[in-house]
Amino acid sequence: EIVMTQSPATLSVSPGERATLSCRASQSVSSNLAWYQQKPGQAPRLLIYGASTRATGLPTRFSGSGSGTELTLTISSLQSEDFAVYYCQQYNNWPWTFGQGTKVEIK
Amino acid sequence: ELQLVESGGGLVQPGGSLRLSCAASPFSLSSYWMYWLRQGPGEGLVWVSRINSDGTSTSYADSVKGRFTISRDNAKNTLYLQMNSLRAEDTAVYYCARGYHYMDDWGNGTTVTVSS
Repeated sequence: EIVMTQSPATLSVSPGERATLSCRASQSVSSNLAWYQQKPGQAPRLLIYGASTRATGLPTRFSGSGSGTELTLTISSLQSEDFAVYYCQQYNNWPWTFGQGTKVEIK
Repeated sequence: ELQLVESGGGLVQPGGSLRLSCAASPFSLSSYWMYWLRQGPGEGLVWVSRINSDGTSTSYADSVKGRFTISRDNAKNTLYLQMNSLRAEDTAVYYCARGYHYMDDWGNGTTVTVSS
């Protein structure tokens, strides 16, 4: 199965700053990658699919990029509601697999 | 507003059984592949099982194969996960989710604790 590795494990960012989250795949996933946001005590929420397509209603400050083995989620200007854990998930090869998550915390 | 509501979690002894349910509204489950995923304490997300729209195809993670059974009742608009021979390592929040390649919508989860 494809192993997804996210970095960093924790990202400390000040509100208004840019956050860049990385997701690396053990083999190519093409653009078959989704990103999710999870806040404490809540279910995950789909943010991005197809590596770069925003889910309905997602603010434009969230953007996904990359393909193959190196994919990125960028939050251009962090708002208070964006502090959460972010997971990537590949759906190029069954079984679908998740990264271990990146926690974005307030600096 | 689309809702997936899980129920059936709780505290169970090792070797015991539980059946989780996931009720959907207002959409019809019958058109969608459905998943069960879980998240252990302080851990990440792992898929447990999936079922196709008419219930004729299922898949299981190796860790639960032979112990868990996924099913659906489209007439009742409900997804199920029968969990037998539970182990401590099955302790987690269990989520149902709608989707095929990626999970469009998630329930809020139900907590399963396996402990003596």
